[in-house]
Amino acid sequence: KAGVTQTPRYLIKTRGQQVTLSCSPISGHRSVSWYQQTPGQGLQFLFEYFSETQRNKGNFPGRFSGRQFSNSRSEMNVSTLELGDSALYLCASSAGPPPRETQYFGPGTRLLVL
Amino acid sequence: AQKITQTQPGMFVQEKEAVTLDCTYDTSDPSYGLFWYKQPSSGEMIFLIYQGSYDQQNATEGRYSLNFQKARKSANLVISASQLGDSAMYFCAMRVGGTSYGKLTFGQGTILTVHP
Repeated sequence: KAGVTQTPRYLIKTRGQQVTLSCSPISGHRSVSWYQQTPGQGLQFLFEYFSETQRNKGNFPGRFSGRQFSNSRSEMNVSTLELGDSALYLCASSAGPPPRETQYFGPGTRLLVL
Repeated sequence: AQKITQTQPGMFVQEKEAVTLDCTYDTSDPSYGLFWYKQPSSGEMIFLIYQGSYDQQNATEGRYSLNFQKARKSANLVISASQLGDSAMYFCAMRVGGTSYGKLTFGQGTILTVHP
């Protein structure tokens, strides 16, 4: 099976712009989660989608949003970018019930905000 | 709230030797899962091993084993016969209960360097 794919792999934006990141899960996986990784804050959970519904959300401002399509592909949007949004954004997909479900991660999108 | 603590910012090991990476966790939920991931410099998180809170035996996956001590709330990763390719950041993570959908809580990570 193909793994989790994320596009684009690298992005450079300027403050105030918005950005959309895409994630395609492993075939058959219906749960997609997003994480932000920064040197200062480490790995932080953004949100999780299952069957086009957001089931869980982390402590991030409303500028961070997401959605999931009927084919389980997911997008994450960040509006009005700030310098602090520079990070590695990781997407993970999983199948099966919590807490045993294993999340498989994509290669990430590195976002640099100037 | 859940918390994962990894107290070793960096570890060094000689090739072919074993190394233990420490992880302690805190949760009041009796049902939880513990995970270890490896993150090379490329950035991708690679799943290594899983241990459930109700599992009676310690998990093993090839050269990886998990030393699970429930009473001490520790879940240390043991890598046997270290290889140069094992050099990476290692994260311990936890999922709790049945409603924390998708949410893994991660520790701060341990950078492992394998010397030839």
